[in-house]
Amino acid sequence: DAKTTQPNSMESNEEEPVHLPCNHSTISGTDYIHWYRQLPSQGPEYVIHGLTSNVNNRMASLAIAEDRKSSTLILHRATLRDAAVYYCILRRGAGSYQLTFGKGTKLSVIP
Amino acid sequence: GAGVSQTPSNKVTEKGKYVELRCDPISGHTALYWYRQSLGQGPEFLIYFQGTGAADDSGLPNDRFFAVRPEGSVSTLKIQRTERGDSAVYLCASSTTGSGYTFGSGTRLTVV
Repeated sequence: DAKTTQPNSMESNEEEPVHLPCNHSTISGTDYIHWYRQLPSQGPEYVIHGLTSNVNNRMASLAIAEDRKSSTLILHRATLRDAAVYYCILRRGAGSYQLTFGKGTKLSVIP
Repeated sequence: GAGVSQTPSNKVTEKGKYVELRCDPISGHTALYWYRQSLGQGPEFLIYFQGTGAADDSGLPNDRFFAVRPEGSVSTLKIQRTERGDSAVYLCASSTTGSGYTFGSGTRLTVV
């Protein structure tokens, strides 16, 4: 699987937007970009995924660079509940099943 | 149920003992996955079921680990002759075509 690179940690103030970056310079044309997050003492939770176009859902937005070598997960208004480890994962093809997790970015939200 | 259920939530066992960890996936999800997560690390893939069969067990660390899903729903991860290095959180997830994974809260296994 192609590798992703994320900062180890980030901080945000509550109610401010958060931009979580991910580099994936070796991404292939069939790789989907997935984001999961893991709150303390819980299993990972699906956040969003995309292939080429930017994506929005109720939880977040995903901005994908035109060359697809990087992406950014955007939380529009951070809450304390958003404090978690965020994982950026490349999943090969629509039928691929295996997720390869890195260490992710630990997001702290300051009240 | 509404989510993936894993039991027990915590398990402490003595080195050398046998343990079984249970996963109850979301009803109708044909795909089921087991992952293992050590402290400070991301989850690590163990095995993937499509229906009743193990489609990929390449992540199982050795032959002490085995998993079954006899009726295509509930799955059991079995660990024989447990070692202290097996201590971790064991996560189960399920999915259906085109959906993201839904993970359970995991079973924290401690081998003493």
